[in-house]
Amino acid sequence: EAGVAQSPRYKIIEKRQSVAFWCNPISGHATLYWYQQILGQGPKLLIQFQNNGVVDDSQLPKDRFSAERLKGVDSTLKIQPAKLEDSAVYLCASSSRTFGYHQETQYFGPGTRLLVL
Amino acid sequence: SQKIEQNSEALNIQEGKTATLTCNYTNYSPAYLQWYRQDPGRGPVFLLLIRENEKEKRKERLKVTFDTTLKQSLFHITASQPADSATYLCALPTGNNRKLIWGLGTSLAVNP
Repeated sequence: EAGVAQSPRYKIIEKRQSVAFWCNPISGHATLYWYQQILGQGPKLLIQFQNNGVVDDSQLPKDRFSAERLKGVDSTLKIQPAKLEDSAVYLCASSSRTFGYHQETQYFGPGTRLLVL
Repeated sequence: SQKIEQNSEALNIQEGKTATLTCNYTNYSPAYLQWYRQDPGRGPVFLLLIRENEKEKRKERLKVTFDTTLKQSLFHITASQPADSATYLCALPTGNNRKLIWGLGTSLAVNP
């Protein structure tokens, strides 16, 4: 089974520029997550999709961040304009939700390392 | 507010010893708790899940305990190996959509 794919792996931009990240989840996984992980910290959920609908985006800075999941498969996360504090690793994860179960394992991609200068 | 705390300092142990990592939480009662491993430059990898009605769970050299009274989970690696060196994260679900909140992680180094 192929894992979660992300691209690019690394990105260096200057502040105020735009950047986009792409994620392809595990085939058949209905739930997709975007996390931000700052060095030395745990992942912080930015947005969670169930199929192509948004379940939770309470921690997404909507003035500069946007995400979409067209057709309930691939997803893109965009930052426009970027700030210095956006320097982090952006992780995409997916999970398959089984009705009646509370627990769900999340499968992560390798992440995209973003450096904003 | 809900909070998760893990050993803030890195843990250094000798090969063959048992590593014990701690995850404490406050202000809520999760239905389960998960442990993940993260290597440098990679995303977290799921290791174990333990439910609130389970006291202990094992998988090969890994053992997890869950004390809902103390609001604490302990993660043990027995007969540790240098390959076990990584950061270990605990995560708990919260809210109606069971969003995971994550600890900061504990860095483990197993010295040969």
